[in-house]
Amino acid sequence: EVQLVQSGAEVKKPGESLRISCKGSGYSFTSYWISWVRQMPGKGLEWMGRIDPSDSYTNYSPSFQGHVTISADKSISTAYLQWSSLKASDTAMYYCATPYSGNWFDPWGQGTLVTVSS
Amino acid sequence: QPVLTQPPSASASLGASVTLTCTLSSGYSNYKVDWYQQRPGKGPRFVMRVGTGGIVGSKGDGIPDRFSVLGSGLNRYLTIKNIQEEDESDYHCGADHGSGSNFVWVFGGGTKLTVL
Repeated sequence: EVQLVQSGAEVKKPGESLRISCKGSGYSFTSYWISWVRQMPGKGLEWMGRIDPSDSYTNYSPSFQGHVTISADKSISTAYLQWSSLKASDTAMYYCATPYSGNWFDPWGQGTLVTVSS
Repeated sequence: QPVLTQPPSASASLGASVTLTCTLSSGYSNYKVDWYQQRPGKGPRFVMRVGTGGIVGSKGDGIPDRFSVLGSGLNRYLTIKNIQEEDESDYHCGADHGSGSNFVWVFGGGTKLTVL
């Protein structure tokens, strides 16, 4: 079964750093991009950026460029989303997704809830 | 890059049909759009892709035959027939644009479907 499994929920304070993960299994991890998608409470989906796990080439949405870092470790089939200094406005659910079954997002990870509060 | 516009809400009675609309901004009439279903408290799941010729590729796993798509001009439609309680969800449309360093993926604002 092709699946993406994300790390668990996080509660952080403003200014702290954070890295969340997305582990792929059941397929060739280096053959498909991994994208990260944000969903703020009660809001829609926002594409943040993507990484090619084979060479770690990244694309970022202009809205997120410079605010987050996407990386991957192909040896353990895991992609990461990282913040160096969190803000309260980073509170959201974060999903990873990959275009395994076509040029669309399928499957998706189960989501990681990040809460930033003092 | 395209802008995708969705009405924020829709409703339909149990057993009825409903058509959800995703409208591309001017100049992007040849773009394909993906539909995603997000049930309350759950993550999104792929429904199907639609272009002006209709469905592109196959439906997502477990998507029933009651779901269908059409594309016309700037509009991409998702129709659900014989609506069931489990169809009550947020429905998001999305499309990719560009390539290489200019690649972006854009989503509409989502439509909340209420089953009456």
